[in-house]
Amino acid sequence: DAGITQSPRYKITETGRQVTLMCHQTWSHSYMFWYRQDLGHGLRLIYYSAAADITDKGEVPDGYVVSRSKTENFPLTLESATRSQTSVYFCASSQRQGQGYNEQFFGPGTRLTVL
Amino acid sequence: GDSVTQMEGPVTLSEEAFLTINCTYTATGYPSLFWYVQYPGEGLQLLLKATKADDKGSNKGFEATYRKETTSFHLEKGSVQVSDSAVYFCALPNTGNQFYFGTGTSLTVIP
Repeated sequence: DAGITQSPRYKITETGRQVTLMCHQTWSHSYMFWYRQDLGHGLRLIYYSAAADITDKGEVPDGYVVSRSKTENFPLTLESATRSQTSVYFCASSQRQGQGYNEQFFGPGTRLTVL
Repeated sequence: GDSVTQMEGPVTLSEEAFLTINCTYTATGYPSLFWYVQYPGEGLQLLLKATKADDKGSNKGFEATYRKETTSFHLEKGSVQVSDSAVYFCALPNTGNQFYFGTGTSLTVIP
């Protein structure tokens, strides 16, 4: 199916474990983003990528690692999960456009609980 | 730096009531402005946008006018429905195709 998908949709893990959240888009969009959504904070950018093999930190990158070896995939890894990383994680993508700003398309989210 | 500020929620309205969700922004220059909507259990999706001052964005009965004199982009709808229950985010673009998102305003419409 075309679009942007995330897996898993729900994940429960324990403190200290490594967790990888997957994101896949079928549009060949240049840009991809990872956000976390928490009550009272709205959406906060964790990492973003302008193209394959190009990634950069967002507002809250500590404790997270990303990679982008292929344009369509942008996995997010929590190297050693902490309770403060309990959140809903959204992946998004957008296409590069010269002078304008393009709409971001969001995945359905992954609800992560760290016990 | 650039930012957006949204009115605090939650907002609860009866069906057919008038809706206003306030959004003000701080930015260098005159960027495009956006409203995104998040329905329960889903990701955000673009609701409407305006690309320059005095532009009015509209979609699904919602409207927002880009007012540079008041640095505002308030979201309005004349008659809300139960299906409009969602969280609404004001957004301001940043470099690198990024966005500054407001904290979101939760709307519940009761029949």
